[in-house]
Amino acid sequence: SAVISQKPSRDICQRGTSLTIQCQVDSQVTMMFWYRQQPGQSLTLIATANQGSEATYESGFVIDKFPISRPNLTFSTLTVSNMSPEDSSIYLCSAGTGTYEQYFGPGTRLTVT
Amino acid sequence: GQQVMQIPQYQHVQEGEDFTTYCNSSTTLSNIQWYKQRPGGHPVFLIQLVKSGEVKKQKRLTFQFGEAKKNSSLHITATQTTDVGTYFCAALGNMLTFGGGTRLMVKP
Repeated sequence: SAVISQKPSRDICQRGTSLTIQCQVDSQVTMMFWYRQQPGQSLTLIATANQGSEATYESGFVIDKFPISRPNLTFSTLTVSNMSPEDSSIYLCSAGTGTYEQYFGPGTRLTVT
Repeated sequence: GQQVMQIPQYQHVQEGEDFTTYCNSSTTLSNIQWYKQRPGGHPVFLIQLVKSGEVKKQKRLTFQFGEAKKNSSLHITATQTTDVGTYFCAALGNMLTFGGGTRLMVKP
Protein backbone atom coordinates (compact mmCIF):
# COMPACT_ATOMS: atom_id res chain seq x y z
CA SER A 1 0.00 0.00 0.00
CA ALA A 2 0.96 3.66 -0.18
CA VAL A 3 0.28 6.59 2.09
CA ILE A 4 -0.48 9.86 0.35
CA SER A 5 -0.33 13.28 1.89
CA GLN A 6 -1.61 16.50 0.36
CA LYS A 7 -1.02 20.12 1.16
CA PRO A 8 -2.92 22.30 1.77
CA SER A 9 -5.92 20.44 3.14
CA ARG A 10 -8.14 23.38 2.36
CA ASP A 11 -7.90 26.93 1.13
CA ILE A 12 -10.06 29.89 0.32
CA CYS A 13 -8.75 31.88 -2.63
CA GLN A 14 -9.76 34.95 -4.54
CA ARG A 15 -10.74 34.72 -8.17
CA GLY A 16 -7.92 35.36 -10.58
CA THR A 17 -5.24 33.92 -8.31
CA SER A 18 -3.52 30.53 -8.52
CA LEU A 19 -3.09 27.75 -6.00
CA THR A 20 -0.54 24.95 -6.07
CA ILE A 21 -1.44 21.68 -4.39
CA GLN A 22 1.29 19.30 -3.36
CA CYS A 23 1.05 15.53 -3.25
CA GLN A 24 3.64 13.34 -1.53
CA VAL A 25 3.71 9.53 -1.59
CA ASP A 26 5.62 7.55 0.99
CA SER A 27 7.01 5.14 -1.61
CA GLN A 28 7.95 5.16 -5.26
CA VAL A 29 4.93 4.59 -7.47
CA THR A 30 4.49 4.17 -11.18
CA MET A 31 1.41 6.27 -11.65
CA MET A 32 0.13 9.45 -10.08
CA PHE A 33 -3.20 11.05 -10.90
CA TRP A 34 -5.17 14.18 -10.14
CA TYR A 35 -8.95 14.11 -9.74
CA ARG A 36 -11.62 16.65 -9.06
CA GLN A 37 -14.69 15.86 -7.02
CA GLN A 38 -17.64 18.13 -6.46
CA PRO A 39 -19.37 17.51 -3.11
CA GLY A 40 -21.74 14.58 -3.43
CA GLN A 41 -20.50 13.74 -6.91
CA SER A 42 -18.22 11.19 -8.48
CA LEU A 43 -14.56 11.62 -9.29
CA THR A 44 -13.41 13.16 -12.55
CA LEU A 45 -9.89 12.51 -13.73
CA ILE A 46 -8.03 15.71 -14.58
CA ALA A 47 -4.73 14.24 -15.69
CA THR A 48 -2.10 11.60 -15.27
CA ALA A 49 1.12 13.02 -13.87
CA ASN A 50 4.05 11.51 -15.78
CA GLN A 51 7.47 11.48 -14.23
CA GLY A 52 9.92 13.45 -16.32
CA SER A 53 7.47 14.41 -19.05
CA GLU A 54 4.34 16.43 -19.64
CA ALA A 55 1.15 15.30 -17.95
CA THR A 56 -1.58 13.58 -19.95
CA TYR A 57 -4.80 15.57 -19.69
CA GLU A 58 -8.33 14.30 -20.03
CA SER A 59 -10.93 15.91 -22.22
CA GLY A 60 -12.00 19.26 -20.84
CA PHE A 61 -8.80 19.93 -18.94
CA VAL A 62 -5.84 21.87 -20.33
CA ILE A 63 -2.30 22.45 -19.23
CA ASP A 64 -2.61 26.22 -19.12
CA LYS A 65 -5.37 25.95 -16.54
CA PHE A 66 -4.04 22.96 -14.58
CA PRO A 67 -0.26 22.76 -14.95
CA ILE A 68 1.14 19.64 -13.33
CA SER A 69 4.64 18.73 -12.32
CA ARG A 70 6.12 15.40 -11.33
CA PRO A 71 9.83 15.77 -10.72
CA ASN A 72 10.27 12.28 -9.23
CA LEU A 73 8.43 9.06 -8.42
CA THR A 74 7.06 10.24 -5.07
CA PHE A 75 5.96 13.85 -5.60
CA SER A 76 3.61 15.83 -7.81
CA THR A 77 1.98 19.23 -7.85
CA LEU A 78 -1.21 20.52 -9.42
CA THR A 79 -1.72 24.22 -9.95
CA VAL A 80 -5.18 25.64 -10.42
CA SER A 81 -4.56 28.82 -12.39
CA ASN A 82 -6.56 32.01 -12.77
CA MET A 83 -9.24 30.63 -10.51
CA SER A 84 -12.93 31.30 -10.78
CA PRO A 85 -15.76 30.20 -8.45
CA GLU A 86 -16.41 27.27 -10.82
CA ASP A 87 -13.06 25.84 -9.73
CA SER A 88 -14.34 25.39 -6.20
CA SER A 89 -14.10 21.68 -5.58
CA ILE A 90 -12.16 18.96 -3.84
CA TYR A 91 -8.93 18.04 -5.59
CA LEU A 92 -7.59 14.57 -4.94
CA CYS A 93 -4.23 13.09 -5.71
CA SER A 94 -3.89 9.35 -6.14
CA ALA A 95 -1.09 6.89 -6.77
CA GLY A 96 -1.06 3.45 -8.24
CA THR A 97 0.97 0.81 -9.98
CA GLY A 98 -1.05 0.81 -13.18
CA THR A 99 -3.15 -2.31 -13.07
CA TYR A 100 -4.00 -2.39 -9.45
CA GLU A 101 -5.70 -0.28 -6.85
CA GLN A 102 -5.21 3.41 -6.47
CA TYR A 103 -4.48 5.05 -3.16
CA PHE A 104 -5.95 8.45 -2.59
CA GLY A 105 -4.74 11.40 -0.63
CA PRO A 106 -7.03 13.16 1.83
CA GLY A 107 -7.90 15.84 -0.72
CA THR A 108 -7.68 19.61 -0.90
CA ARG A 109 -10.93 21.49 -0.46
CA LEU A 110 -10.73 24.64 -2.54
CA THR A 111 -13.18 27.51 -2.29
CA VAL A 112 -12.86 30.39 -4.73
CA THR A 113 -14.59 33.64 -3.83
CA GLY B 1 -14.20 6.26 -23.38
CA GLN B 2 -15.92 3.60 -21.39
CA GLN B 3 -18.71 4.54 -19.05
CA VAL B 4 -20.01 2.77 -16.00
CA MET B 5 -23.47 3.39 -14.64
CA GLN B 6 -24.21 2.76 -11.02
CA ILE B 7 -27.58 2.26 -9.35
CA PRO B 8 -29.17 3.22 -7.13
CA GLN B 9 -27.85 6.71 -6.56
CA TYR B 10 -29.02 6.69 -2.95
CA GLN B 11 -30.18 4.02 -0.54
CA HIS B 12 -31.57 4.37 2.93
CA VAL B 13 -31.69 1.19 4.99
CA GLN B 14 -32.50 0.25 8.54
CA GLU B 15 -29.55 -1.12 10.42
CA GLY B 16 -29.49 -4.87 9.94
CA GLU B 17 -31.02 -4.79 6.47
CA ASP B 18 -29.09 -5.86 3.42
CA PHE B 19 -27.84 -3.48 0.73
CA THR B 20 -26.82 -3.96 -2.88
CA THR B 21 -25.34 -1.58 -5.42
CA TYR B 22 -25.01 -2.40 -9.10
CA CYS B 23 -22.53 -1.30 -11.69
CA ASN B 24 -23.21 -1.69 -15.42
CA SER B 25 -21.20 -1.07 -18.56
CA SER B 26 -22.13 -1.28 -22.22
CA THR B 27 -18.68 -2.63 -23.02
CA THR B 28 -16.71 -5.56 -21.71
CA LEU B 29 -14.50 -4.57 -18.81
CA SER B 30 -11.01 -5.92 -18.20
CA ASN B 31 -11.54 -5.52 -14.50
CA ILE B 32 -13.68 -3.71 -11.97
CA GLN B 33 -12.64 -2.10 -8.73
CA TRP B 34 -14.73 -1.01 -5.77
CA TYR B 35 -14.01 1.91 -3.47
CA LYS B 36 -15.68 3.26 -0.35
CA GLN B 37 -15.71 6.91 0.57
CA ARG B 38 -16.84 7.84 4.05
CA PRO B 39 -18.49 11.25 4.49
CA GLY B 40 -15.75 13.87 4.45
CA GLY B 41 -13.14 11.27 3.55
CA HIS B 42 -11.35 10.08 0.48
CA PRO B 43 -11.98 6.95 -1.60
CA VAL B 44 -10.48 3.80 -0.15
CA PHE B 45 -9.85 0.73 -2.27
CA LEU B 46 -11.93 -2.29 -1.32
CA ILE B 47 -11.33 -4.92 -3.97
CA GLN B 48 -10.56 -5.71 -7.59
CA LEU B 49 -12.34 -8.31 -9.71
CA VAL B 50 -10.75 -9.63 -12.86
CA LYS B 51 -12.24 -12.97 -13.85
CA SER B 52 -15.61 -13.60 -15.46
CA GLY B 53 -18.12 -14.70 -12.82
CA GLU B 54 -15.70 -13.96 -10.00
CA VAL B 55 -17.10 -13.71 -6.48
CA LYS B 56 -15.09 -12.37 -3.57
CA LYS B 57 -16.07 -11.86 0.03
CA GLN B 58 -14.81 -9.54 2.71
CA LYS B 59 -16.65 -10.26 5.95
CA ARG B 60 -20.19 -8.97 5.29
CA LEU B 61 -19.34 -7.64 1.81
CA THR B 62 -19.78 -9.80 -1.29
CA PHE B 63 -18.50 -8.63 -4.65
CA GLN B 64 -19.49 -10.20 -7.96
CA PHE B 65 -18.29 -9.75 -11.52
CA GLY B 66 -20.75 -10.77 -14.20
CA GLU B 67 -20.17 -13.64 -16.58
CA ALA B 68 -20.02 -11.24 -19.52
CA LYS B 69 -17.76 -8.87 -17.55
CA LYS B 70 -20.17 -6.02 -18.18
CA ASN B 71 -21.64 -5.70 -14.73
CA SER B 72 -20.73 -6.02 -11.11
CA SER B 73 -22.40 -5.81 -7.75
CA LEU B 74 -21.55 -5.16 -4.15
CA HIS B 75 -23.79 -6.70 -1.52
CA ILE B 76 -23.61 -5.89 2.17
CA THR B 77 -25.30 -8.29 4.56
CA ALA B 78 -26.84 -6.93 7.76
CA THR B 79 -25.70 -3.34 7.39
CA GLN B 80 -24.16 -1.48 10.28
CA THR B 81 -23.81 2.25 10.87
CA THR B 82 -20.12 1.90 10.05
CA ASP B 83 -21.12 0.99 6.49
CA VAL B 84 -22.32 4.53 5.85
CA GLY B 85 -20.64 6.17 2.89
CA THR B 86 -20.57 6.25 -0.88
CA TYR B 87 -19.58 3.13 -2.76
CA PHE B 88 -17.99 3.60 -6.17
CA CYS B 89 -17.25 1.06 -8.81
CA ALA B 90 -14.43 1.90 -11.17
CA ALA B 91 -13.47 0.31 -14.45
CA LEU B 92 -9.84 0.13 -15.48
CA GLY B 93 -9.13 0.82 -19.12
CA ASN B 94 -6.60 3.40 -20.24
CA MET B 95 -7.57 5.13 -17.04
CA LEU B 96 -9.78 4.40 -14.08
CA THR B 97 -13.36 5.45 -14.84
CA PHE B 98 -15.56 5.86 -11.80
CA GLY B 99 -19.25 5.19 -11.66
CA GLY B 100 -21.54 7.80 -10.17
CA GLY B 101 -21.53 6.10 -6.79
CA THR B 102 -24.23 4.85 -4.46
CA ARG B 103 -24.65 6.74 -1.25
CA LEU B 104 -25.63 4.43 1.58
CA MET B 105 -27.34 5.79 4.65
CA VAL B 106 -28.05 3.49 7.60
CA LYS B 107 -30.63 4.32 10.19
CA PRO B 108 -29.76 2.89 13.63
